[in-house]
Amino acid sequence: DQQVKQNSPSLSVQEGRISILNCDYTNSMFDYFLWYKKYPAEGPTFLISISSIKDKNEDGRFTVFLNKSAKHLSLHIVPSQPGDSAVYFCALIQGAQKLVFGQGTRLTINP
Amino acid sequence: EAQVTQNPRYLITVTGKKLTVTCSQNMNHEYMSWYRQDPGLGLRQIYYSMNVEVTDKGDVPEGYKVSRKEKRNFPLILESPSPNQTSLYFCASRGDSYEQYFGPGTRLTVT
Repeated sequence: DQQVKQNSPSLSVQEGRISILNCDYTNSMFDYFLWYKKYPAEGPTFLISISSIKDKNEDGRFTVFLNKSAKHLSLHIVPSQPGDSAVYFCALIQGAQKLVFGQGTRLTINP
Repeated sequence: EAQVTQNPRYLITVTGKKLTVTCSQNMNHEYMSWYRQDPGLGLRQIYYSMNVEVTDKGDVPEGYKVSRKEKRNFPLILESPSPNQTSLYFCASRGDSYEQYFGPGTRLTVT
């Protein structure tokens, strides 16, 4: 039973528009939420995070939203750029030890 | 340069032949972890270590062993590899924050 789901395996967005990536979870005990970005042949790299006491965190073009009641996390990228094309993973932490990843969403930014 | 290194990057082996994938970090991080990435499943945690001589199972520990004799190294050992352990493996470490730093990955094929 997967605790974290990214229901969209892929997403295609036009350059300059907004990209919205979604992540749903089932366990209300998760207390910290992260997004990672992964290029081919490289390890995941940290992008942005949010704690469970907040509902929004912004860093430049990237904003993460947390809706605890809906158990839903989203990442907004605006404006989207070609270099944003990658696989994005949400990752949730419970108790500072276990990191549970979603399945990933492949984002393609079209010129 | 702060980094996590893994060796080898690519490995093809046969069923039952013991192998070790090394992982080393130069950031003096206490926490280290191993993940495997499989299509449609995202990254799943194999083992993690909170500090030297302290290791614990993740979500998919069967068929794997780890050791943490020094803070910087966290090798992953497959005593008797099987084809279902063909995967992409990532080592990661983190310090006081929740952000994990990942190595470049090791692609293992067991025939």
